[in-house]
Amino acid sequence: SQQGEEDPQALSIQEGENATMNCSYKTSINNLQWYRQNSGRGLVHLILIRSNEREKHSGRLRVTLDTSKKSSSLLITASRAADTASYFCAVVRGSTLGRLYFGRGTQLTVWP
Amino acid sequence: DGGITQSPKYLFRKEGQNVTLSCEQNLNHDAMYWYRQDPGQGLRLIYYSQIVNDFQKGDIAEGYSVSREKKESFPLTVTSAQKNPTAFYLCASSKTGEWISTEAFFGQGTRLTVV
Repeated sequence: SQQGEEDPQALSIQEGENATMNCSYKTSINNLQWYRQNSGRGLVHLILIRSNEREKHSGRLRVTLDTSKKSSSLLITASRAADTASYFCAVVRGSTLGRLYFGRGTQLTVWP
Repeated sequence: DGGITQSPKYLFRKEGQNVTLSCEQNLNHDAMYWYRQDPGQGLRLIYYSQIVNDFQKGDIAEGYSVSREKKESFPLTVTSAQKNPTAFYLCASSKTGEWISTEAFFGQGTRLTVV
């Protein structure tokens, strides 16, 4: 499959805990992006990491990329109930312009 | 405010009818995209356009058609040839179609139901 595949499919945690979601892919990529989707809404871009980068931070988000293992992880620290949403990774292949391949997402539920 | 607007939010279609979903952006983006999302699934690319008057088929283009006559607009028509059109449709745009260091901006989606 060209697309990213997230793991786990669902994650349920308490407020204040950290949430870690993983994404695996099978082809070489140009970059990998993480998006968030609240129920019934559009997607919102969270962070982009290029193939020559290993880690990026944005607020409470930390993304890592291991191109040798073809995997990425998204860590949300000190989770809040408002973080409840689906999280998708999407990969961009350098050879295919205009294509962003999405996985099926991880449904994160943060309980107050 | 700059953004991308989809309309309507909900749409009901009788079998055998064509329907058109609207997507407008005022972000001055060159590239626009249509995705389909089914329950528990990721997004699948229907069509994309990197520039006005040009568009390419995505992975599931059968039963759909698009036009890109204006930079701001990328309407999607779901034709009667689409056998299972009930889904959530998402429109997106980006500065360019090259994806090298660019993100996609999404509309709020249109939920299409066949009745």
